[in-house]
Amino acid sequence: GAVVSQHPSRVICKSGTSVKIECRSLDFQATTMFWYRQFPKKSLMLMATSNEGSKATYEQGVEKDKFLINHASLTLSTLTVTSAHPEDSSFYICSAPSLTEDYTFGSGTRLTVV
Amino acid sequence: DQQVKQNSPSLSVQEGRISILNCDYTNSMFDYFLWYKKYPAEGPTFLISISSIKDKNEDGRFTVFLNKSAKHLSLHIVPSQPGDSAVYFCAASSSGNTPLVFGKGTRLSVIA
Repeated sequence: GAVVSQHPSRVICKSGTSVKIECRSLDFQATTMFWYRQFPKKSLMLMATSNEGSKATYEQGVEKDKFLINHASLTLSTLTVTSAHPEDSSFYICSAPSLTEDYTFGSGTRLTVV
Repeated sequence: DQQVKQNSPSLSVQEGRISILNCDYTNSMFDYFLWYKKYPAEGPTFLISISSIKDKNEDGRFTVFLNKSAKHLSLHIVPSQPGDSAVYFCAASSSGNTPLVFGKGTRLSVIA
């Protein structure tokens, strides 16, 4: 079935640094990818929609300059958390709709900013 | 304004019995509904889905029922097994490649 590979699964970084999270669709082309964030004991909240070859669409309240999304190819979307702060610590998950599977999800990235 | 609601944060069921997880939605544009199982620090795992043209979909031990007039769906797991213990998310979308809207999840504990 369709697989979305997300890396890294876990990252710890210092305040003020940037972290890049990658999501790759391994056996299908993903023209669209969704980026979610989950706070502890909370639901998955949509952050942004990335579209191959065009600018990402951000949800209200999500800082575009802080959460940089790039979808340069049909199989790769990246989320860069810039100038990370402890409040950015969270669980980030990507998802891509595919032709055969229902909204395949990556395995998630646990970000801890210290 | 929560468009997808799972009002029970937790549910405890004995092994072998039926687990019923409920979900309500408010957006009448939703026409596709999914259930996911999730463990901590992992991505959601797809379980079962249903489109709005159906009122029931069954896959093994999992059955999803949809009541469009009540804007309500439920996931039935029978028989429940200890390995089913996890957080279950209800999600909904409207037509096309639109993102999913998730409920807050229900933590299911199946007791042996």
